[in-house]
Amino acid sequence: DVKVTQSSRYLVKRTGEKVFLECVQDMDHENMFWYRQDPGLGLRLIYFSYDVKMKEKGDIPEGYSVSREKKERFSLILESASTNQTSMYLCASSLPQGRKGTQYFGPGTRLTVL
Amino acid sequence: AQSVAQPEDQVNVAEGNPLTVKCTYSVSGNPYLFWYVQYPNRGLQFLLKYITGDNLVKGSYGFEAEFNKSQTSFHLKKPSALVSDSALYFCAVRPWGGNAGNMLTFGGGTRLMVKP
Repeated sequence: DVKVTQSSRYLVKRTGEKVFLECVQDMDHENMFWYRQDPGLGLRLIYFSYDVKMKEKGDIPEGYSVSREKKERFSLILESASTNQTSMYLCASSLPQGRKGTQYFGPGTRLTVL
Repeated sequence: AQSVAQPEDQVNVAEGNPLTVKCTYSVSGNPYLFWYVQYPNRGLQFLLKYITGDNLVKGSYGFEAEFNKSQTSFHLKKPSALVSDSALYFCAVRPWGGNAGNMLTFGGGTRLMVKP
C-alpha cells in the first residue's frame, strides 16, 4: 500500500513565525502535491513537484514556498505565518500523468495561526 | 482551465436507500475523473476513477460512478446506503497532457449523511 505521512497532525503557531510542514511518501512516486482544504472551497492546490528540485505553482501559491531535495520528501514552508493561513493542509503523491497516476493523500495537518 | 461543480453541500439519505452524489465538470479535451472520500479527521481516500472505456466505473465499498460525456457529469452512486458511508465526498478532474495533466481540480465537496 502507498503510504504518505505528514510530520504533524495538529500545529499551533504565532503570526510571523516560519512554519515547516513535512511530507514523506514511500512509493517512489515522481509527483508530490500540497493542498489546503477549507470548508466550502474543497481542496486548492498550493504547489506541486514532478521531480527532485522541480516545482510548479498551483492555484494559490502566495505566502508559501516548497522544497524537494529528495524524491520521497516534499516540504511546505510558510515564510511568515498569517491568520488567514489557518487551514487543513494535505499532502499527496502520484505516479506521472502518463501512467494515469492516482493521487494518494496523507492524513493532513491542521494548522492554527494565532 | 478546468473546473468541477458539486451542486449539493449535503445529501441526506436513509440507510438502505440508494444514494447519488452529483458532479459536473469542465475540461479541455478528454477528462480523467475521480471520486475521493474523507472521513472525519482523516486524509482523502481514493474511491474510483474514470480514464477511458466503460462509462460505468465500479470502486471501493460498493460505490460506482457513471460518466456521461454529453452532460459532462460523473455522479457517484450506491444502491444501498450504510450509516458508515457518512463522510465528505470530493469529485476531481484532470486533463490529459503536459504537466497540467498532473494537477487535479477538486469540487467543493458534498457531505453525505446516512441516517439509520
